Amino acid sequence: GAVVSQHPSWVICKSGTSVKIECRSLDFQATTMFWYRQFPKQSLMLMATSNEGSKATYEQGVEKDKFLINHASLTLSTLTVTSAHPEDSSFYICSGSLISPGPAFFGQGTRLTVV
Amino acid sequence: AQTVTQSQPEMSVQEAETVTLSCTYDTSENNYYLFWYKQPPSRQMILVIRQEAYKQQNATENRFSVNFQKAAKSFSLKISDSQLGDTAMYFCAFMKMSDMRFGAGTRLTVKP
Repeated sequence: GAVVSQHPSWVICKSGTSVKIECRSLDFQATTMFWYRQFPKQSLMLMATSNEGSKATYEQGVEKDKFLINHASLTLSTLTVTSAHPEDSSFYICSGSLISPGPAFFGQGTRLTVV
Repeated sequence: AQTVTQSQPEMSVQEAETVTLSCTYDTSENNYYLFWYKQPPSRQMILVIRQEAYKQQNATENRFSVNFQKAAKSFSLKISDSQLGDTAMYFCAFMKMSDMRFGAGTRLTVKP
């Protein structure tokens, strides 16, 4: 299957700082990338969908200015958590799709801890 | 918005036996995709099987097969000859265009 690499796999940051998470499709061009947040023992909650070269579409209740998503190329999308707070601590997962609709392939996830 | 319902929070099965995980969804669309993903303790999401709504034939992938009932909006996953490595969370997912939604998940434990 297609490979998506997400980096870093874990990060600890101080309250008020910003953190960037990268999501790369290694062997395919991802026309669409998804960003999810997952709380312990819960399902994946879609945060936003991005298509290469255009602005991300955010789900209701997700703050655009706090969770900045950039999909500058067909192989790279980034999520920047700005002015992080402890309540932003979570597991963030990205996925990429070659075609829409079509199967999405997931990165390994990033565990963010804000202290 | 589409909704995906997995009514079994937890299930268990003996090794080598068969288990079926249920999934229902709600949509007014006619063309869409359905998926089952597996999330082991590593938390890496792994695609198990996919089904295009326009295909009547149920998808199969080795020990994994689905029972797709479009009219009933049901999409169950059957795991045959269960193995210890099948222990994981299983998520049913619905996709229409660029919109992908997940069910709450079913935690499957395979017992030796």
